[in-house]
Amino acid sequence: GQNIDQPTEMTATEGAIVQINCTYQTSGFNGLFWYQQHAGEAPTFLSYNVLDGLEEKGRFSSFLSRSKGYSYLLLKELQMKDSASYLCAVKGNNRLAFGKGNQVVVIP
Amino acid sequence: GAVVSQHPSRVICKSGTSVKIECRSLDFQATTMFWYRQFPKQSLMLMATSNEGSKATYEQGVEKDKFLINHASLTLSTLTVTSAHPEDSSFYICSASPAVGQETQYFGPGTRLLVL
Repeated sequence: GQNIDQPTEMTATEGAIVQINCTYQTSGFNGLFWYQQHAGEAPTFLSYNVLDGLEEKGRFSSFLSRSKGYSYLLLKELQMKDSASYLCAVKGNNRLAFGKGNQVVVIP
Repeated sequence: GAVVSQHPSRVICKSGTSVKIECRSLDFQATTMFWYRQFPKQSLMLMATSNEGSKATYEQGVEKDKFLINHASLTLSTLTVTSAHPEDSSFYICSASPAVGQETQYFGPGTRLLVL
């Protein structure tokens, strides 16, 4: 089975940096995804990690440590439009298991 | 980029009726499509995995006779909620994986179902 844990909510100021953590336990591992989900909308893909280390994509970076069952998503230069839920999803046994998501609220 | 559409985006129906939701991959072929359900402030829960030309694989606890899935072509999967009840009210989201190469799943915009 799969178990994914994420903190539930955080508030940050426009222009700041936030780090969203995700820990997981899974019987099989084929990669970890981060998605952004605005209220009432479907998730949009942000990043994919399958090997240990940091993947950088513009203002967003994602880190993976497979031995620790740990990942984080780093959001830099926060903008108001970044207010959303950020979902960590682990792929194992050909299916994605999602965490509950971390709600990020960006304030001016 | 890969685009997945869903129709309808929102549906309200009476208890006991059936509702069909379509999921289409618009610019790629998808051998596998996934159906998720999301209740408010909850995570996405996988309901079933749909493979083109074969029977869907349902997750534990999901009634296959209630949630009928058909994946008739490489670009279309449908989910029919039969004899819907108020507890079936939820946000239903499909996703699709390209036939070749990528691990990423691309999500449709979701269908909000309200059963009265």
